[in-house]
Order: sequence, then C-alpha cells, then structure tokens
Amino acid sequence: DQQVKQNSPSLSVQEGRISILNCDYTNSMFDYFLWYKKYPAEGPTFLISISSIKDKNEDGRFTVFLNKSAKHLSLHIVPSQPGDSAVYFCAASTNTGNQFYFGTGTSLTVIP
Amino acid sequence: GAVVSQHPSRVICKSGTSVKIECRSLDFQATTMFWYRQFPKQSLMLMATSNEGSKATYEQGVEKDKFLINHASLTLSTLTVTSAHPEDSSFYICSASTGSPYSEQYFGPGTRLTVT
Repeated sequence: DQQVKQNSPSLSVQEGRISILNCDYTNSMFDYFLWYKKYPAEGPTFLISISSIKDKNEDGRFTVFLNKSAKHLSLHIVPSQPGDSAVYFCAASTNTGNQFYFGTGTSLTVIP
Repeated sequence: GAVVSQHPSRVICKSGTSVKIECRSLDFQATTMFWYRQFPKQSLMLMATSNEGSKATYEQGVEKDKFLINHASLTLSTLTVTSAHPEDSSFYICSASTGSPYSEQYFGPGTRLTVT
C-alpha cells in the first residue's frame, strides 16, 4: 500500500513561472517530510524538508507547504529554471524510526 | 553536505555470475544504510535496511539469499547480487544515515547493473 502518493507523474512549466508539485500521504503518524530531486542516472539529492510543527518552510526559490488536516504537502519552485527539470520525490517519516516512505515521483520539465 | 559513494557506477555481467556493489559514507558514520532499486519511470523501491553489525532487514518480496547485504563497518555496506539474471538489470541506489531521529538520508549516485 502506497502511503505517500504523487498523483501527477509529470508536469511542464514555462521558464520563469511557478512549478507546484503535490504530494499526499495516508499515515497520520508521519511528522517529517522531505523533497528530493533526481536527475537521470543519479541518486536523489535532498532538496528541502519540513516538520509537522510548521506549515511552511522556505529556502531560496523552493518553498514547501504542509497541510496536516488534508495530509497534503506541496513544493513550490519560483521562478522555475530549465535546470530544475528533474524527477522530484516526496518522502515522509514517523518519529519511531529513520526510514522514509517515498512517493512515486513527478517528472518536472521546465521549458525555456 | 554528507557524501556517499557507490562503486562501481556501471557494471555489465553475464547471467549466472555474482556482482558486488559497494556503498561508502565518506565523511560520516552511517549506522544505518538502505538499499533501493529503481525501475524505469517508477519510484525508488526499498529493498532492505541494514544496521552496522547486524543482519539486514529485507522488505517483503525481496529475496535475501539473492541480494546479500553486509554492513560490516560504519562506513561501508555491500550488496551482492548472486546468480544474476537479466531481470535483475536495474539501477541500484544506496543511502546512509546517522541513525538519529529525523536524520536525513544521503543518497549515493547509484549503480547501473546490466545482466546479459
């Protein structure tokens, strides 16, 4: 059973516009969330995280929003750049361990 | 940030042979290492979790006798694919964490295995 879901397998955005990547989860025990970025043939790299005590975390062009009641988080990239084109995974963890549950990924294409 | 390396980055082997993939944490002690497999256009699939000095915990459906995992030190874990078959061809990624609560996982660059 997929506890973390990314329902959009792909997304295309014009350069300079906002990219919004969504992630839903089912386990109410999750309290730490991360986004990873992955280029082809490379391992995922950590991008940004948020704990459940917050509803927003910002780092440069990247902002993650968490809606606990809806069990939903989103990653906003603004302005989008062609170099942002990659697959983005969200991941979640509970406070009982350090194993993360990954979503299936969203492939972002930023069109110049 | 923390660096995790994998060796080799690419390997081609013949069906029936065994292949060992190494995962090293270069600048921190990784009490826990994870092995993932990625199929094209799919999410990372967790294969097993290994803690230094103890047996790996395999996810359901992963054959522990086929995918041998050893985590003998705080900086090295190995995955050995035994009696490889073409369907084992995939991208294998390891990650490492310090094991403290909420510690992030640092991913290796991955190993592309092709079994002919």
